[in-house]
Amino acid sequence: KQEVTQIPAALSVPEGENLVLNCSFTDSAIYNLQWFRQDPGKGLTSLLLIQSSQREQTSGRLNASLDKSSGRSTLYIAASQPGDSATYLCAVQTGANNLFFGTGTRLTVIP
Amino acid sequence: DTGVSQDPRHKITKRGQNVTFRCDPISEHNRLYWYRQTLGQGPEFLTYFQNEAQLEKSRLLSDRFSAERPKGSFSTLEIQRTEQGDSAMYLCASSERTGAYTEAFFGQGTRLTVV
Repeated sequence: KQEVTQIPAALSVPEGENLVLNCSFTDSAIYNLQWFRQDPGKGLTSLLLIQSSQREQTSGRLNASLDKSSGRSTLYIAASQPGDSATYLCAVQTGANNLFFGTGTRLTVIP
Repeated sequence: DTGVSQDPRHKITKRGQNVTFRCDPISEHNRLYWYRQTLGQGPEFLTYFQNEAQLEKSRLLSDRFSAERPKGSFSTLEIQRTEQGDSAMYLCASSERTGAYTEAFFGQGTRLTVV
């Protein structure tokens, strides 16, 4: 069964700092990997999707990388802002039609 | 169409009552998913529809749970004889199959509290 792990579970950084969130998965036979943001009590907002044939995707201050063979992905956030405070979830899609999620990294950006 | 819509946003019910949630996917999306999320955890898959056909169900979906997607449009998730352990956020997502590119878009969720 696919297992997804996210490290660290929580992270606090001062505003302006660059940071990296980590995601690992046990089964490298994935179709794609998706990063989401979740604000407290809210649904999920899709940030980036990386197809299995891709190495990275960028959107604004966000850059996600994928190393499928080693079962790892990173989400890089540049010049963090207080508005980036949220829980970040990584999810992989396998041959089945559902997503397997990690437990998330709770990010706090301190003004 | 601005995204996946879920109703209600919050539901408080007494143990033993039945509840029903609704999800309206993005209009051109033929795939619809239900997930459940408990506090501090990532979402867990419950069930999946392609058009009106329910193609996959998780073992988490006990026989008290039933989901439908009539005519391949909106979907409903019903929980019968609710238990306190059913308290969670219920999330709906939709996607459009385009080759292997299946970005999932989520709604705001329905938070269920069973008292």
